[in-house]
Amino acid sequence: AQSVSQHNHHVILSEAASLELGCNYSYGGTVNLFWYVQYPGQHLQLLLKYFSGDPLVKGIKGFEAEFIKSKFSFNLRKPSVQWSDTAEYFCAVNASGGSYIPTFGRGTSLIVHP
Amino acid sequence: DVKVTQSSRYLVKRTGEKVFLECVQDMDHENMFWYRQDPGLGLRLIYFSYDVKMKEKGDIPEGYSVSREKKERFSLILESASTNQTSMYLCASSPPGGKQYFGPGTRLTVT
Repeated sequence: AQSVSQHNHHVILSEAASLELGCNYSYGGTVNLFWYVQYPGQHLQLLLKYFSGDPLVKGIKGFEAEFIKSKFSFNLRKPSVQWSDTAEYFCAVNASGGSYIPTFGRGTSLIVHP
Repeated sequence: DVKVTQSSRYLVKRTGEKVFLECVQDMDHENMFWYRQDPGLGLRLIYFSYDVKMKEKGDIPEGYSVSREKKERFSLILESASTNQTSMYLCASSPPGGKQYFGPGTRLTVT
């Protein structure tokens, strides 16, 4: 069975600081990888995804993530955060070609102080 | 734009009541999901459906059942609500393997 670990449960930053949120998964096969974001009072929505190809993927609002297969990691980054990035961030994995049931990490709560 | 709607944003029920949560999607997606979201626990899958009348248990199916009679509609049923089922319930739909589209959530309080 696959599992997803998000190491940072709560992150507090000041505006303009750089962000990196860790995500590691355990699954031996090919995977699809996702980062979702939930802004206060809003729906969960997709930030970015990786299916194949270039392991560095760019998403909305200046976010990017790098898939490192040898480390089973898919860390989320943003060079300079804004107050509006305050949200909960979830990493998710599903087995490519499998049952497509995604597994979510426990989430990281990011607070950005203006 | 895909829309996933849930029947209620907020619901308050008494212990022992039967509770129905409904979810409708408008993009003809095969897959539909019910999750519960609790602080510090992330999203936990309750049930998953990959076709009409087809369902699979997720990680925490105890105390819940589901129904999918039409492709666009996926219902979650709490047979006898208990206080430990107080939570935020999220519905999602997706094509196979693709990104999920989430509804706004139903915050259920069981007293």
